[in-house]
Amino acid sequence: EDKVVQSPLSLVVHEGDTVTLNCSYEVTNFRSLLWYKQEKKAPTFLFMLTSSGIEKKSGRLSSILDKKELFSILNITATQTGDSAIYLCAVEATGNQFYFGTGTSLTVIP
Amino acid sequence: NAGVTQTPKFRVLKTGQSMTLLCAQDMNHEYMYWYRQDPGMGLRLIHYSVGEGTTAKGEVPDGYNVSRLKKQNFLLGLESAAPSQTSVYFCASSSGGAGEKLFFGSGTQLSVL
Repeated sequence: EDKVVQSPLSLVVHEGDTVTLNCSYEVTNFRSLLWYKQEKKAPTFLFMLTSSGIEKKSGRLSSILDKKELFSILNITATQTGDSAIYLCAVEATGNQFYFGTGTSLTVIP
Repeated sequence: NAGVTQTPKFRVLKTGQSMTLLCAQDMNHEYMYWYRQDPGMGLRLIHYSVGEGTTAKGEVPDGYNVSRLKKQNFLLGLESAAPSQTSVYFCASSSGGAGEKLFFGSGTQLSVL
């Protein structure tokens, strides 16, 4: 059975902290891994990773994929209150099937 | 620049009532999906479509039906709503090509009393 597992389920940090969110997967016919940020409404796209060991970076956010160990991490440095959201990890398999984890709820306290 | 549009945004139903959720995309995407999101459960696939006139079951299809009569529209129907169908529903679309991401609508909050 294909599955995506995210940890931790929730996290509370103070502004300025650095956080690491984890995503492990067991999905046959892996094509890509995607990270989304969800703030009350529609998930918004952050990163897509297809190759191992290549870091994707956007400002304070970065992500990397390990296809051998079947996991990805999303790092957020110098967190701000605007980073408070649910972070979703999804794995795309061939046939355009997307499998989602349960998400990590991040709360950043001023 | 509409992207994926869902209607309605909110709805309250009584048990046994029926309703249809409409999803429209203007990106000429082949693939369309309906997900439901419940606390602690993540996004679960209800039904999806790989092109006009096609539909397929996802992880949690029971109690729902779908239709894709036009490429740009994907309808989700509840024939006899149950309280267990109280959820937030998201429509998404994708071009279907390799390395293409999902684009999401803004969601429909459905409560079944």
